[in-house]
Amino acid sequence: GENVEQHPSTLSVQEGDSAVIKCTYSDSASNYFPWYKQELGKRPQLIIDIRSNVGEKKDQRIAVTLNKTAKHFSLHITETQPEDSAVYFCAASKGAGSYQLTFGKGTKLSVIP
Amino acid sequence: DVKVTQSSRYLVKRTGEKVFLECVQDMDHENMFWYRQDPGLGLRLIYFSYDVKMKEKGDIPEGYSVSREKKERFSLILESASTNQTSMYLCASKLGGTYNEQFFGPGTRLTVL
Repeated sequence: GENVEQHPSTLSVQEGDSAVIKCTYSDSASNYFPWYKQELGKRPQLIIDIRSNVGEKKDQRIAVTLNKTAKHFSLHITETQPEDSAVYFCAASKGAGSYQLTFGKGTKLSVIP
Repeated sequence: DVKVTQSSRYLVKRTGEKVFLECVQDMDHENMFWYRQDPGLGLRLIYFSYDVKMKEKGDIPEGYSVSREKKERFSLILESASTNQTSMYLCASKLGGTYNEQFFGPGTRLTVL
C-alpha cells in the first residue's frame, strides 16, 4: 500500500522567512497530492493540491512542487506570517483513481513574530 | 458552504461499552470517511464509504465497524471500547472521484476509561 513520509516534524521560522515541508510517497501510480492545514483546535482544511500531470502550482504565498521521478513533493510558504502557524499534512492518493488518501504524519510550523 | 457535523465534541466512555459516533454532511457527497488522529501519527483511515450501504476498510479497521444507511449520514461503531481507542475521531466527506476536496468535521475527542 501507499506510504507517505513527511519531514520535518517541527519547523520554526522567523516571520517573513520562507518555510519548506517535504513529502515522499511510495506508489508510483499515485496521481493526486493535496496539502491540508490544521490550526490549533480546528479541523483540517485543504490549502492547495496538485495532480501528477503538473510539476508546480502556486496560490499567492503558497506553492507546491512535484517530482514524479523521485516520488516527492514539497510545500513552499513564502513571507510567512504568524497566522501560518499550524500543523500541515501532505497526502497522496492510494494509486490512480482512488478515493482514498494516505496522509503524512504532519509538520508543526511555528512562525515567530 | 459545505457543512460536516459530528454528534459530539467530547465523549467519555467505559471499557467494554458500545460507542456510536455519528457524522452528517449536507452537500450530497457520495464519499465519506472516518479517521483517527493521534499525536505524531497523523490522520489514519479507519473506514470509508463510497456510496450508501457501501463500505471499505481503511488502514486500521480492527475494533471498528461502520454503517451508512442514508447518503448524508455515516456512523462509526466501537463494538467494545478499549483504552487504546482513546483518540480524536474525524469524519470527512467529498464528492465522488479522485480530485475532489475532503471536507472535515470538527472532530470527536473520545476518552475510554
